[in-house]
Order: sequence, then structure tokens, then C-alpha cells
Amino acid sequence: GQSLEQPSEVTAVEGAIVQINCTYQTSGFYGLSWYQQHDGGAPTFLSYNGLDGLEETGRFSSFLSRSDSYGYLLLQELQMKDSASYFCAVTGTASKLTFGTGTRLQVTL
Amino acid sequence: DGGITQSPKYLFRKEGQNVTLSCEQNLNHDAMYWYRQDPGQGLRLIYYSQIVNDFQKGDIAEGYSVSREKKESFPLTVTSAQKNPTAFYLCASSIGRRTDNQPQHFGDGTRLSIL
Repeated sequence: GQSLEQPSEVTAVEGAIVQINCTYQTSGFYGLSWYQQHDGGAPTFLSYNGLDGLEETGRFSSFLSRSDSYGYLLLQELQMKDSASYFCAVTGTASKLTFGTGTRLQVTL
Repeated sequence: DGGITQSPKYLFRKEGQNVTLSCEQNLNHDAMYWYRQDPGQGLRLIYYSQIVNDFQKGDIAEGYSVSREKKESFPLTVTSAQKNPTAFYLCASSIGRRTDNQPQHFGDGTRLSIL
């Protein structure tokens, strides 16, 4: 089976940088994804790491270390609209995703 | 614009009733998925389908059923056997032909409540 751990809540100030960590235990692993979900909305895809290292997409970056079963999402130049829940998800066989329980990010002034 | 359409947005069920949630996609994706999300929780996989006329149980399939008669459609039936059906239900799709980076695209969800 799969299990993922991420912090339940993070608070940061507008303009700051925040890192959301994710550790996982899996029986099959193809990659780690990150999704953003605003309250009441649908999850939207942010990034994917299939190999070790850093992937950068604008203000967001994601990192993976397969040997450590660890990844993180880095959000830079935080904006109020970044207040949302962020989920890490492991891609297993048959393109199935197993999601973590989510990290609620609150951006304050 | 291509996307995934879920209907209805809100659904109410009486005890003992079956209800069917609709999910339609025009992204030409092979794979489709149903998830359940409870308040403050992550998404849990109910059923998934990688190709028409084929589907597999996810982690919490008991009390649910699906069909995949068309590539575009993957309806979910919440049966009376599901004892705690109140939740936010999300449908997703992906290209599905490979197991590496295939982001899933989500519909806007259906909120199901018991009367």
C-alpha cells in the first residue's frame, strides 16, 4: 500500500517563501505530484517529479529524492491567492494516484 | 474548451436510495477516476477505468458501482449499501497510456448529502 505524510497547516506572510514537505512509503512508485485545491473547488495539477531533483514552474518548484522517499513543494513570492490546500500524490501502477491528507496554507498580510 | 463536467453540483439522497453522479469528459482521455473527499481530508480512490468497458476497484469501492460504456462517460452510482455517503465526489481523467507524468484533470465535483 501507499502512505504519505505532510504537515496539516502552514502559515506564511505575503511575499515570503514557504516549503511544504511530503514523505511517502509505497509499494510501487513512478513519481510524485503536487495539486492545489481552493476551498470548495477542484484540485488542479501543479507539478510532477519522476526523477530526483528540482523542477521549476514559475513561482512554484518541486523537489524529489527517491532514495529518501521525500519531496517538497516550494512556493516563492507568496500571494494571497496562494491560500489553499496543497496535496502531494504518489503515482503508482495504472497511473493511480494516492493522495496525502493535504497541507492548508494560509497567507497573511 | 475541453474539460470534465460533473453533474449535479449538489445532490440530496434519502436513506435507502441509489443515486448516480454524472461525469463527462471531452479531452479524449483514456483513463477516468472517481474520488471521494471528506472534510479536511485527502482524496480517496473509489474506482478507476483505463479503457472503455473495463474498470477496477480503488481503495474504497464498497457501496459504489460504475460503468464505462463510452470513452467520454464514467458515471458513479452510490448505492444504499454505502452507509456514510455524505462527501464531496470528484471525477478525474488522464491520458492514461503511460504511468509517468500524466496529470489528472478534475471536474468541479458533486456534493452529496443525506436527507
